[in-house]
Amino acid sequence: QKEVEQNSGPLSVPEGAIASLNCTYSDRVSQSFFWYRQYSGKSPELIMSIYSNGDKEDGRFTAQLNKASQYVSLLIRDSQPSDSATYLCAIYNQGGKLIFGQGTELSVKP
Amino acid sequence: EPEVTQTPSHQVTQMGQEVILRCVPISNHLYFYWYRQILGQKVEFLVSFYNNEISEKSEIFDDQFSVERPDGSNFTLKIRSTKLEDSAMYFCASRDTSNLYEQYFGPGTRLTVT
Repeated sequence: QKEVEQNSGPLSVPEGAIASLNCTYSDRVSQSFFWYRQYSGKSPELIMSIYSNGDKEDGRFTAQLNKASQYVSLLIRDSQPSDSATYLCAIYNQGGKLIFGQGTELSVKP
Repeated sequence: EPEVTQTPSHQVTQMGQEVILRCVPISNHLYFYWYRQILGQKVEFLVSFYNNEISEKSEIFDDQFSVERPDGSNFTLKIRSTKLEDSAMYFCASRDTSNLYEQYFGPGTRLTVT
């Protein structure tokens, strides 16, 4: 079983819609979860971190965490063409490293 | 805003040659990391470094790889004898000592082994 799983996409949404990105993980002891955005040919950029069950909002982004279901998601409200990128889910391993999913490619159509 | 920097942005080398990739982490950060991303694949952990020693390394980080903090600002990754399969983007990351565990990535070095 993969440690962090994401649908590879592409996920296509119209401009102004809500984009919903999902991630599941296998390590029950994980406590720290992150969403990174990666534009093509660029490095991962941290956009959200979440540590407790529930929702965490930052501008147009909302991260949701459900540790019982081992599920973390990212909602992007009022999606813009500039949000088109690959979104990487990552968990912080107890040994100190980030374990990444394959990433979900998001395309926002004008 | 402070950021992680990496040099060079692109390195082309011949198989069997040694390469050194350089990183300057964010100045007040004490935990340093190297990750790599082969084209089309996911970001993979290579090594973590704290207090002048390796904290953890992956099975990818074999005897051909080494890391060093030669001075107070630089953090380097050396590949002693490059292989074709070492071609990838190499990212340096750093984080501070808080329990937020947020890691910030540099722009990466694209390594091409021919």
